[in-house]
Amino acid sequence: QVQLQESGPGLVKPSETLSLTCTVSGGSISSYYWSWIRQPPGKGLEWIGYIYYSGSTNYNPSLKSRVTISVDTSKNQFSLKLSSVTAADTAVYYCARELRMTTVTTGIENWFDPWGQGTLVTVSS
Amino acid sequence: QSVLTQPPSVSAAPGQKVTISCSGSSSNIGNNYVSWYQQLPGTAPKLLIYDNNKRPSGIPDRFSGSKSGTSATLGITGLQTGDEADYYCGTWDSSLSGLFGGGTKLTVL
Repeated sequence: QVQLQESGPGLVKPSETLSLTCTVSGGSISSYYWSWIRQPPGKGLEWIGYIYYSGSTNYNPSLKSRVTISVDTSKNQFSLKLSSVTAADTAVYYCARELRMTTVTTGIENWFDPWGQGTLVTVSS
Repeated sequence: QSVLTQPPSVSAAPGQKVTISCSGSSSNIGNNYVSWYQQLPGTAPKLLIYDNNKRPSGIPDRFSGSKSGTSATLGITGLQTGDEADYYCGTWDSSLSGLFGGGTKLTVL
């Protein structure tokens, strides 16, 4: 079955850019949406944004000015960049496949499955 | 503070039933579908319910979901100590953003 694995630095300095990659194995990255979600220590989940395999993106309005999500279909990977980080960006970052459908009459269906194991990124000097 | 409101904690005895609520508005739950996730201590969230009330393969029928208006509910019957976890609801919002509830910690006494 499809498995996801996050990778990247565990420590980032304030004002720098956080960069993470999610590698998808056991299936193709094509024909799906792929999301980043984060969880500050001891707190709840926050959706960061998604990318469709074709490259179209949608970001959380609260993070939009600092977030870039990209995809490399040849490597079956997608990536997250979050600029100008502060201590408030310290969190476990998860990548996940987003299943998503839109119907005019009944609204948007979306759910996340599967998830990567998560990677802790600490912002500190 | 999350746009989707969940009780911070619920508890019940083994074998009993518990429900977890998720309250939103017409801009999110009221017009879109709800999913639910279980996060066991130290692990990544796992999908429990999607499309308001559907269970993925492998999720026991002790877990159920429902939605009415701008609220959704997760039900768990036959509670087991292994069900102790944090539970999150999720949906889409008209602000073009994914949303999660603040999470509910389930304690099986």
